[in-house]
Amino acid sequence: DTAVSQTPKYLVTQMGNDKSIKCEQNLGHDTMYWYKQDSKKFLKIMFSYNNKELIINETVPNRFSPKSPDKAHLNLHINSLELGDSAVYFCASSSRTQQYFGPGTRLTVT
Amino acid sequence: AQKITQTQPGMFVQEKEAVTLDCTYDTSDQSYGLFWYKQPSSGEMIFLIYQGSYDEQNATEGRYSLNFQKARKSANLVISASQLGDSAMYFCAMRDVLTGANSKLTFGKGITLSVRP
Repeated sequence: DTAVSQTPKYLVTQMGNDKSIKCEQNLGHDTMYWYKQDSKKFLKIMFSYNNKELIINETVPNRFSPKSPDKAHLNLHINSLELGDSAVYFCASSSRTQQYFGPGTRLTVT
Repeated sequence: AQKITQTQPGMFVQEKEAVTLDCTYDTSDQSYGLFWYKQPSSGEMIFLIYQGSYDEQNATEGRYSLNFQKARKSANLVISASQLGDSAMYFCAMRDVLTGANSKLTFGKGITLSVRP
């Protein structure tokens, strides 16, 4: 019984394409996040949503658009992909004392 | 603003021995939470342990314990009886507690731990 799931796990695409990553959590948490892990393994917040409302938007290019159809889902759509978008993207969901991450999506832009 | 510092270079430990991974933090928040995560080579982020700033006792979870020294602003992770499967990257993170689950985690740069047989 997976707590936070993401699809796809790997995504290889060309510059200029548009792609989406889906995330679902079955923990009943109200808050979900997207984090980006760069090639040096540094993790940084991108967005967070609480019960479908955007709470945090950390100076992410507007080519990135999160969408939360309900509190169990938070998807990430990326337009006009660039080489620098190559990274691992993690979805997470959170209670007050715990934050659980999905397995990550490794995005490679060629 | 919150800041997490993990400055140890790659750490090595002999199997079955204990190891301490250092984490210092800086924050102006009165209430905050500290987290440790493990990231093995397979890439997933595994939640290990949580310590609240007002918790009176140090957190423990199985072989993991958190040596929390509030005055020194340190939250070191202690792994007892190291196993080969403990070889991974370890991240310390923190967040404000007053805004609860809404607040983001701020991460350190991570420490690589290698367990020798």
